[in-house]
Amino acid sequence: DTEVTQTPKHLVMGMTNKKSLKCEQHMGHRAMYWYKQKAKKPPELMFVYSYEKLSINESVPSRFSPECPNSSLLNLHLHALQPEDSALYLCASSPSFEGQGAEKLFFGSGTQLSVL
Amino acid sequence: AQTVTQSQPEMSVQEAETVTLSCTYDTSENNYYLFWYKQPPSRQMILVIRQEAYKQQNATENRFSVNFQKAAKSFSLKISDSQLGDTAMYFCAFMRSYSGYALNFGKGTSLLVTP
Repeated sequence: DTEVTQTPKHLVMGMTNKKSLKCEQHMGHRAMYWYKQKAKKPPELMFVYSYEKLSINESVPSRFSPECPNSSLLNLHLHALQPEDSALYLCASSPSFEGQGAEKLFFGSGTQLSVL
Repeated sequence: AQTVTQSQPEMSVQEAETVTLSCTYDTSENNYYLFWYKQPPSRQMILVIRQEAYKQQNATENRFSVNFQKAAKSFSLKISDSQLGDTAMYFCAFMRSYSGYALNFGKGTSLLVTP
């Protein structure tokens, strides 16, 4: 199994809603990532978890709250989002965050988020 | 900081023809990885090819090959026998060795394959 699975594929939410994005991998990878991608732009790193601990937060607003409950699962909790947060949210995983294996990055197919 | 430049925002090629996408990068690192990712309309980010800087041999994957010129800091992607399914956004990316979080993308090249 070399897949990173993201759910839901599409999400529409209002600015007062609370929702969560889910990402799962069963490759035994110990690093997991959230990226944000606006239309026709490259992905931008948001968060990195290594061994279920948050290792990098790229100055992301607190209305985005990541969670890594176990080594296979990564969530992104959303609250009080703005219309400009509408984007594709990509999850990725790699065997490690640093060292050998860090280059073997696998991406999920993303969640297309629309904030109304 | 490393920068990745893709100078062709859009390209078009006819089916069965060959096309080359350009990528240059700037780094002072000696050990690093270079990648080409494909993102079709489905928006899944798919790894096309990966090149390790210390390997002089150019990486190939079926119809996809790269021309890696380390001294010139150039990493172009050649797609042979183009197929309609190759229509996608192509991103060149740089990763400092052993740093999964340090993946820098270029702005992308939108490739259209026409019948």
